[in-house]
Amino acid sequence: DIRMTQSPSSLSASVGDRVTITCRASQNIYTSLNWYQHVPGKVPKLLIFAASSLRSGVPSRFSGSGSGTDFTLTITGLQPEDFATYYCQHDFIMPSSFGQGTKVEI
Amino acid sequence: QLHLQESGPGQVQPLETLSLTCTVSGDSMRSYHWGWIRQPPGKGLEWIGSIYYSGSAYYSLSLRSRLALSVDTSKSQFSLRLNSVTAADTAIYYCARGGQTAITQYAYWGQGIQVTVSS
Repeated sequence: DIRMTQSPSSLSASVGDRVTITCRASQNIYTSLNWYQHVPGKVPKLLIFAASSLRSGVPSRFSGSGSGTDFTLTITGLQPEDFATYYCQHDFIMPSSFGQGTKVEI
Repeated sequence: QLHLQESGPGQVQPLETLSLTCTVSGDSMRSYHWGWIRQPPGKGLEWIGSIYYSGSAYYSLSLRSRLALSVDTSKSQFSLRLNSVTAADTAIYYCARGGQTAITQYAYWGQGIQVTVSS
């Protein structure tokens, strides 16, 4: 079972800030890593797949990087609608698993 | 436009079986993986399992002894059965569509259904 660990668990930021969230896998998952945004009361939204591929329709201020065991989600120029919880998830082998989440607060 | 809708009871008695169904509309189920994810109150997302349109399934290690997934492509539905539920199974349950090769790349989600385990 592959464990996904995110850091930090929460962070405070302001509109316009650059925010970086880290995700570490317990073993090599190559680039089989997805990032989701979850706004309370809404449905989780896929932002990034295969570690660095931006899903169509997702603003370009979101970017992903990394391979192997260490990954990063970066939001460049935080917007009001970006305050949410972000999750990484591996898709390397089954069973899949999510990180514990990173809450981005004002 | 792909649409997924969860259905099932909002409340289940402890030690009983939770049964949920996800109805798919707007596209064929063929060639895709279909998944279940849940979020307990105040906690993060938890992957439950995934089933291919042909019926092969993958399960969370922590739930596999109590869990069964099934699919009925003729009805455009896939289902979850979780037996011997406890309060720890109280959560919002989501169904989602995975990829054709990336099994758990969930680009499309249902709205979620709140399930409470209580007598």
